[in-house]
Amino acid sequence: EAGVTQFPSHSVIEKGQTVTLRCDPISGHDNLYWYRRVMGKEIKFLLHFVKESKQDESGMPNNRFLAERTGGTYSTLKVQPAELEDSGVYFCASSPTDRVSKTQYFGPGTRLLVL
Amino acid sequence: DAKTTQPPSMDCAEGRAANLPCNHSTISGNEYVYWYRQIHSQGPQYIIHGLKNNETNEMASLIITEDRKSSTLILPHATLRDTAVYYCIVAPAGGGNKLTFGTGTQLKVEL
Repeated sequence: EAGVTQFPSHSVIEKGQTVTLRCDPISGHDNLYWYRRVMGKEIKFLLHFVKESKQDESGMPNNRFLAERTGGTYSTLKVQPAELEDSGVYFCASSPTDRVSKTQYFGPGTRLLVL
Repeated sequence: DAKTTQPPSMDCAEGRAANLPCNHSTISGNEYVYWYRQIHSQGPQYIIHGLKNNETNEMASLIITEDRKSSTLILPHATLRDTAVYYCIVAPAGGGNKLTFGTGTQLKVEL
């Protein structure tokens, strides 16, 4: 079974540009999460989708970040316009609809560098 | 979610058991204890979780104290590939919710 995949693995852009990150969850997983780690900080939650609906977006830093999950399959996270402080590693995770445990399976991450 | 406290770093000799402690004294009755690890440059990897009973899987064992205020992750025969940052996370039961990562324990397995 394929795991969570993320694209691209690395992205280097200039301040003010737009970047779109993609996440493909494990097939059949309704829950999809975005997290990020900025330099020197802990991994922080950004938002959670259940199918195509945003369940919790309390961790989104500001309105420059837009996440979508049309059709309830893959998700995109767009940063527009990118700022220097957006640099970091963006992780996506997915979990099944099992209502007992919260086991989340993470992708390898997208390393974003804003210059 | 309850906060957790872990030592910042630990060393372990290859082939020996690695015992990683975690304090979660404010854990509430419906919160699970989860362990994840992050090997350098990879995404966090799920290891094991439990509610109140001890658990074992192919990767590790989880020992939770009777009062549930602390737990220990045991890697029975650590290898060099187990070198990673280990995170202890407590989170309520129920369908999908956010995981709150702390600073974790940097485990270094050496020859």
